[in-house]
Amino acid sequence: DAGVTQSPTHLIKTRGQQVTLRCSPKSGHDTVSWYQQALGQGPQFIFQYYEEEERQRGNFPDRFSGHQFPNYSSELNVNALLLGDSALYLCASSLPQGAETQYFGPGTRLLVL
Amino acid sequence: QKEVEQNSGPLSVPEGAIASLNCTYSDRGSQSFFWYRQYSGKSPELIMSIYSNGDKEDGRFTAQLNKASQYVSLLIRDSQPSDSATYLCAVNKGGSYIPTFGRGTSLIVHP
Repeated sequence: DAGVTQSPTHLIKTRGQQVTLRCSPKSGHDTVSWYQQALGQGPQFIFQYYEEEERQRGNFPDRFSGHQFPNYSSELNVNALLLGDSALYLCASSLPQGAETQYFGPGTRLLVL
Repeated sequence: QKEVEQNSGPLSVPEGAIASLNCTYSDRGSQSFFWYRQYSGKSPELIMSIYSNGDKEDGRFTAQLNKASQYVSLLIRDSQPSDSATYLCAVNKGGSYIPTFGRGTSLIVHP
């Protein structure tokens, strides 16, 4: 049973650039959530996708956008990168009925220079 | 007041002792409560969920919930060095499936 996968594992970008992160949910899951975790902090909710639509969004600017594909995989896009965007980006998948239980992927560590 | 508060620690306990991790939350309508373990450089791993007042035991782990006091705790019995990690408390506010996380408590179990 494949768990949640994310790519790439690490990424280095410079300020102003754009980045795309990818996530494949756990087998049988159709809901994907994205989180940002800064060093020493808990994960902060960015948004959640279900049925290819953004279902809920946290307090993040429009520079953060996403997409969900028909196979339930998802992308997180961040435009105009800032130094403060450096963080671990986590993808979590869940079932819609059991959506309270989220399973996290290994994360993508983004460094913005 | 933060929505979910945890002491960042570190909490240091000797091997074999009971580690007690605490979490308070601000929304009285919260219904679901979770404890995640996160090793350094890794992603969070769900270890316990609790929904009703009282205790819930799973192996060496016991989650305790007191909704009147807006308090949830995690006890780890017979602590092992492999339990050394950051423990994240997460709370689903009423009507939401999205967890709000605390900043985590760092636990160090020394031999």
